[in-house]
Order: sequence, then structure tokens, then C-alpha cells
Amino acid sequence: EIVLTQSPDFQSVTPKEKVTITCRASQSIGSNLHWYQQKPDQSPKLLIKYASQSFSGVPSRFSASGSGTDFTLTITSLEAEDAAIYYCHQSSYLPYTFGQGTKLEIK
Amino acid sequence: QVQLVQSGAEVKKPGASVKVSCKASGYTFNDYYLHWVRQAPGQGLEWMGWINPDSGGTNFAQKFRGRVTMTRDTSISTAYMELTRLRSDDTAVYYCARDAYGSIFDSWGQGTRVIVSS
Repeated sequence: EIVLTQSPDFQSVTPKEKVTITCRASQSIGSNLHWYQQKPDQSPKLLIKYASQSFSGVPSRFSASGSGTDFTLTITSLEAEDAAIYYCHQSSYLPYTFGQGTKLEIK
Repeated sequence: QVQLVQSGAEVKKPGASVKVSCKASGYTFNDYYLHWVRQAPGQGLEWMGWINPDSGGTNFAQKFRGRVTMTRDTSISTAYMELTRLRSDDTAVYYCARDAYGSIFDSWGQGTRVIVSS
């Protein structure tokens, strides 16, 4: 099974800051890596698909890159509404797996 | 717009079974696989399996094989996930999610909380 390891587990940031979250896969998964945002008591929402493609309606401050085993999600100019847990997810190999999540707290 | 509406919360005793429904609207039900993902309290996301609504074909994570069944009723655009021989560590929110081709989950149900407790 592919293990996805995110870092950091938790980050406390101020509005307008730039945030970078990384996701490392235990073996190469090409570009089959996707990012989701989950706000408290809500379902996850797709942000980025195939490592770098923004999903429809996602604000432009969210971007991502990477391939193989190393991936990053970047949020430029953080807003208060971005407080959430962010998960990476791989769809290259069964069973599909998720990272453990990165919790973003807004100061 | 795409909507996935799930059934309500359940409380079950250990050893019992639970069946969660996921009603789809806003798109052609048969055209998109549906996945089930669960989230234990305070934990991350765990993929359980998928169903092809068109054929009824399924694929499950090894962990759940033998305990999970996924079915669908195309006449009412509804998918079901049944988990048997429940244990306390099955306590979780269960989500259905639409597969936007490539096992990317572009739309999620609101979640169904299942509590397993004696």
C-alpha cells in the first residue's frame, strides 16, 4: 500500500501569509496525486487534481506542483476561511490512500 | 448541480450490520463510479471501495473484504454500502463520493455518522 506522509501535521499562520504543505509518497505515483480541503464538520472538497490542476471554482491562491514522490500544495495570501485540514490522496495504486492531514490554524 | 444525499446517523451494537444510502442527483447516475470513504473520530480519511453504478461491479480495500457490500438501485439513483459484523473501531463518519474519472472525488455526500457501542 502506498503511504502518503504530509508535513507539517499542524501549522498556525497569520492572514496574508504564504503556506506550503508537502506530501511524500512511499513510491512513485506519477501525477496521480490530489488535494482536498476539509473544514470543521464538513465533507472534504476537491482543490487540486493530478498534482497541479486546479478544480473548478477553487480560488487562484491555491496551487500545487510535484510528480513522482514529492508534491506540494501552496496557499498564497492566506485568508481566514482557509482554516481547515488539508489531505493529499493518491489514485495510482489500489488501495487508494490519503495522507494523515495537515491542520491549518489561522492566528 | 451534483448532489449526493446520504441517510441519517445510526447507532448499532457490536456484531450488528449497518446499511448507508447515498442518493445522487444532478447528473446521470450510471456514468460515474461512486466510492465510499470513512473517517473515524478525529482521524484521517480511509478509502473503502467503489461501485460501478452501471454494471454493479465493485472493488473493495482488502481490509473490508468479507464485511462490506456495495449495491445500487439505478431506478432511484441510489447507492448503498452495508458493513457487517460491526466493531467499536467501525465508529466513523461514512462518506460517498463521486468519481470524476480517474478516482478523483469531485463531489461528496454530507456523511453518515455510525456509532458502534454496546
